[in-house]
Amino acid sequence: EPEVTQTPSHQVTQMGQEVILRCVPISNHLYFYWYRQILGQKVEFLVSFYNNEISEKSEIFDDQFSVERPDGSNFTLKIRSTKLEDSAMYFCASSGGGRGIQYFGAGTRLSVL
Amino acid sequence: GIQVEQSPPDLILQEGANSTLRCNFSDSVNNLQWFHQNPWGQLINLFYIPSGTKQNGRLSATTVATERYSLLYISSSQTTDSGVYFCAIISSGSARQLTFGSGTQLTVLP
Repeated sequence: EPEVTQTPSHQVTQMGQEVILRCVPISNHLYFYWYRQILGQKVEFLVSFYNNEISEKSEIFDDQFSVERPDGSNFTLKIRSTKLEDSAMYFCASSGGGRGIQYFGAGTRLSVL
Repeated sequence: GIQVEQSPPDLILQEGANSTLRCNFSDSVNNLQWFHQNPWGQLINLFYIPSGTKQNGRLSATTVATERYSLLYISSSQTTDSGVYFCAIISSGSARQLTFGSGTQLTVLP
C-alpha cells in the first residue's frame, strides 16, 4: 500500500534556529496538508496546499511558517525561527481529492530546547 | 467552525471486552475518518466513513450523518488496541482540512 513518508522522525533544535520538515506524499495525490499535535492534545490543522499554492491555513500558520513543493515528489514545512512552543509532532498528509480520505505520515517529533 | 466531540475521554477494559466509542459533530460532513494513534504517535487510518457502516475484522464503524454522530465498535479487545482513538471530519462547507476531536484514550489490560 502506498504511504506518506516523513523525515526525520525526530528533530532536536535550539530555540531561534530554522528547521525544515520533509514529506513525500503519495505519488498521484494532488492535495497536501500539514497538521501538528502538541503532546497530550488533539491534532490541529496548519495548512493545505494544492496546485502549487496554499489553499487554506489556520491561525497557527503565521509568518514563521512556510511550505514548499520544491520538486515533483517532496513537500516541506519550514519554521524560520523556532520557539519553545513549536515543540510538537508534525504530521504530513495527502489526498487524491479535496474532501477524500487523507493519508498521514508517521510524523516528525520536533523538540525545541 | 465545526465542533467534534468524542466520548468517553478515557476507557479502561479487560482484554476480551467489547467497547463503543462515540463521535458527535455539529454540522453535515463530507468526510469522516477514524484513526488509532499508537504508542509511537503514528496515526493509523481505521475507517473512512462519511455515512453507513463498515467492518474490518474486530472493528466496525457506523455513521448516521442525518443525526450527526459516528460510532466505533471494538470487539474482543486486545492489549494492542490500546492508544488514542480520534474521529476527524471535513464539513460540507468550503474547507478541506480535517477537524479532529479530542480523542478517547483506550487502555486494554491483560
